[in-house]
Amino acid sequence: DAEITQSPRHKITETGRQVTLACHQTWNHNNMFWYRQDLGHGLRLIHYSYGVHDTNKGEVSDGYSVSRSNTEDLPLTLESAASSQTSVYFCASSERRMNTEAFFGQGTRLTVV
Amino acid sequence: GENVEQHPSTLSVQEGDSAVIKCTYSDSASNYFPWYKQELGKRPQLIIDIRSNVGEKKDQRIAVTLNKTAKHFSLHITETQPEDSAVYFCAASGMDGDDKIIFGKGTRLHILP
Repeated sequence: DAEITQSPRHKITETGRQVTLACHQTWNHNNMFWYRQDLGHGLRLIHYSYGVHDTNKGEVSDGYSVSRSNTEDLPLTLESAASSQTSVYFCASSERRMNTEAFFGQGTRLTVV
Repeated sequence: GENVEQHPSTLSVQEGDSAVIKCTYSDSASNYFPWYKQELGKRPQLIIDIRSNVGEKKDQRIAVTLNKTAKHFSLHITETQPEDSAVYFCAASGMDGDDKIIFGKGTRLHILP
């Protein structure tokens, strides 16, 4: 069955370190999204991609970057982790320009100490 | 950019009663409005969606209504059950032909015995 998986599920890192969160989907979806979830803020869009080599900034992109070298993967990099980036991160994917369901990964809980 | 407001942030209803969650959006170009349910510790999952050419959609105990003129849409859950306890997110998409999904801040629904 097609799926979308994130790794790691939990990570603790130190302030200032570079961190990369992985997202892999086997739906063959062109659209991929990264969100962060914080209490009181819901799901906020960080970056998104509509296809290979396409990336776009979302609502809260400062301090984050993504790259899309193939259809299946959209890794999220925190250039220099800050305590304000402690959050639960969700990756999602959907078909391009179909206004259809987005499928979410299991989430990654990141703690920056 | 698109802004989605969601109310209330917390809602408690007696088992068997109805629950209503309301959302407004800012971008009149939005044309797709999904609702996601997130159980504790789980990923968000689509429960129902509506497109701008439809005013109402039902699926068993859940229904969504859309008023494009007023730019608001609502989720209605009837005959609530304990398993309806979760966080519900409304969202908007499709503005300017764009597939990015902007979420509201969520409503935590408690079903009281």
